[in-house]
Amino acid sequence: RKEVEQDPGPFNVPEGATVAFNCTYSNSASQSFFWYRQDCRKEPKLLMSVYSSGNEDGRFTAQLNRASQYISLLIRDSKLSDSATYLCVVNEGWYGQNFVFGPGTRLSVLP
Amino acid sequence: EAQVTQNPRYLITVTGKKLTVTCSQNMNHEYMSWYRQDPGLGLRQIYYSMNVEVTDKGDVPEGYKVSRKEKRNFPLILESPSPNQTSLYFCASTEASGRASTDTQYFGPGTRLTVL
Repeated sequence: RKEVEQDPGPFNVPEGATVAFNCTYSNSASQSFFWYRQDCRKEPKLLMSVYSSGNEDGRFTAQLNRASQYISLLIRDSKLSDSATYLCVVNEGWYGQNFVFGPGTRLSVLP
Repeated sequence: EAQVTQNPRYLITVTGKKLTVTCSQNMNHEYMSWYRQDPGLGLRQIYYSMNVEVTDKGDVPEGYKVSRKEKRNFPLILESPSPNQTSLYFCASTEASGRASTDTQYFGPGTRLTVL
């Protein structure tokens, strides 16, 4: 059974804080990995892909450890606008047909 | 503007009354899929389609049907809706470039369905 698990949350942090989200996946044959952001009652939107070498996009850093089947997302200098649910997503197929979503971790950045 | 559209956005219906939720994308994507999202369970895939006339079951296909007669459209059909199908539904499309690491899913705005 394929599974993606995430920190249960919610995370409540002050503006300017650094926050880290963790995700584990069960299928060792998974092909690609992503973090999506979902605002309340809205559609998920891609935040960033996650590469084996790790990658950074501004205040966001994603890491992948294939051996441990572990993915992380680090947000530095949190903004109020970062408040959302963060979804860890694993693609188990070559052509996008097996996206498996984690349940999400809710983040609230407080003034 | 590249987008995925869904209709209706909100629907309240009664048990057993057939309904269709439409999904359309203007990006010429080959791959489309339907998800439902329920509290605490995340998004679960209902059906997906890799191209015209090619569809397959996802994780929770029971009670749903789909069709893919044209590349841009992928309707979700509930032949006899039941209350346990009350949920938030998302349609998504992906380019399916063959480079799995760059395949981004684009989601429609969602359809909130209530079955009484």
